[in-house]
Amino acid sequence: DAKTTQPPSMDCAEGRAANLPCNHSTISGNEYVYWYRQIHSQGPQYIIHGLKNNETNEMASLIITEDRKSSTLILPHATLRDTAVYYCIVRVASGGSNYKLTFGKGTLLTVNP
Amino acid sequence: EAQVTQNPRYLITVTGKKLTVTCSQNMNHEYMSWYRQDPGLGLRQIYYSMNVEVTDKGDVPEGYKVSRKEKRNFPLILESPSPNQTSLYFCASRGTYYEQYFGPGTRLTVT
Repeated sequence: DAKTTQPPSMDCAEGRAANLPCNHSTISGNEYVYWYRQIHSQGPQYIIHGLKNNETNEMASLIITEDRKSSTLILPHATLRDTAVYYCIVRVASGGSNYKLTFGKGTLLTVNP
Repeated sequence: EAQVTQNPRYLITVTGKKLTVTCSQNMNHEYMSWYRQDPGLGLRQIYYSMNVEVTDKGDVPEGYKVSRKEKRNFPLILESPSPNQTSLYFCASRGTYYEQYFGPGTRLTVT
C-alpha cells in the first residue's frame, strides 16, 4: 500500500465545509484512495473511495488531483457529529487475498459550534 | 438498511468463562474479518474469512476461534478468556470495491 500523509489535526466551524487533505505521492496506477472515519470508540465508518475521477456521495466529496499524488475529502456542511479521526488509505482493489485494514494516525477533525 | 451488527455491545466476564461475540451482515459479502483495537496499538486483525467454511489467522489469533457456517454470520469465540483479551472488538465485511463496513463494536472486559 502506498504511504499517505495527513495533518494530525484540523478545526472547522459548524456549517462550514471541512476540507481534509491527504498526500500519497507514491500511489500506483491501480491503487484506489479510500477514506474512513472513526468517531470515538465507535466502529470505523467507510466514507468514500476513488481512483482518478472526483467522486461524490451522500456523505462527502473526494477530489483527486490530476497526477493522483494528493486528494481532498470534503464534508460540505460539517456538523458537530462529524468530529472524528479521518483516515486516508491507498491500496489496490483487487485480488483474492486477505485485505486487512491498517489505519495510520489520521486527522482529528474537530467541528466547533 | 445495509449493516454489520454485533452482539453484545458490552460484556464483562471472568477469566476462563467461554464467550461468543456474534457478528452478522446483510450485504451478502463473502469476506469478513475480526479486529481488536487497543489504545496505542491501532486496529489489529484477529481472523478473517474469504467465504463460507474458509477462515484464516490474522495478526493476533492466539486465544480466539472463529467459524463461518453461513455467509452472513461470523462469530468470534473466546474459549478461555484472559485479562489481556480486554479490548474493543470490531467485525467487518468487505464490499465490491474492497471498502470495509464495520460493526458498532463490542467492548469486552475480562476480570
